[in-house]
Amino acid sequence: NAGVTQTPKFRILKIGQSMTLQCTQDMNHNYMYWYRQDPGMGLKLIYYSVGAGITDKGEVPNGYNVSRSTTEDFPLRLELAAPSQTSVYFCASSYIQGNSPLHFGNGTRLTVT
Amino acid sequence: GQQVMQIPQYQHVQEGEDFTTYCNSSTTLSNIQWYKQRPGGHPVFLIQLVKSGEVKKQKRLTFQFGEAKKNSSLHITATQTTDVGTYFCAESMEYGNKLVFGAGTILRVKS
Repeated sequence: NAGVTQTPKFRILKIGQSMTLQCTQDMNHNYMYWYRQDPGMGLKLIYYSVGAGITDKGEVPNGYNVSRSTTEDFPLRLELAAPSQTSVYFCASSYIQGNSPLHFGNGTRLTVT
Repeated sequence: GQQVMQIPQYQHVQEGEDFTTYCNSSTTLSNIQWYKQRPGGHPVFLIQLVKSGEVKKQKRLTFQFGEAKKNSSLHITATQTTDVGTYFCAESMEYGNKLVFGAGTILRVKS
């Protein structure tokens, strides 16, 4: 099993550009999450999904959108990139929400200039 | 909203010294999880505690869940350079609720 796979690993965007961060998992997990991690900070939940076709906002959803058309894929969309979105983004999945381990991808380091 | 207090923010120890990080919540928790993130890496699950007063060990790591299920600690005995990284606790207030992460404790080990 590859686990949780994120692409790209690194990206530099100009202010106002858009991009999609890809995330796919092969563990057949229903629950998937997007977190952002700023330097020296913990993980903030952006969006999450409890299954295909269902998404919900986390703590910091502004400026982002998600979709969940399949169990495997959970892409994160930035429509109008801003410097405040410079961060490391982690996708994760779990078998049960809150009571089973989160499996994280390797992360995407995004810089907006 | 739910807040997770994790202390200390940062600790620098000599190799062979012990290390402890603490997580505190104002509310009773359903369970708590601990993760380790190596520099430049992603968080990796270490353990989950569910029962009041639970103690679990993984080699030199000892994890405790408070009797009131409001706090937890991770203790590393005789630190090694491989222990370097950030240790996060993640709390869930109720079964099925999302995890809320603490800010993490950064551990540096001098050899």
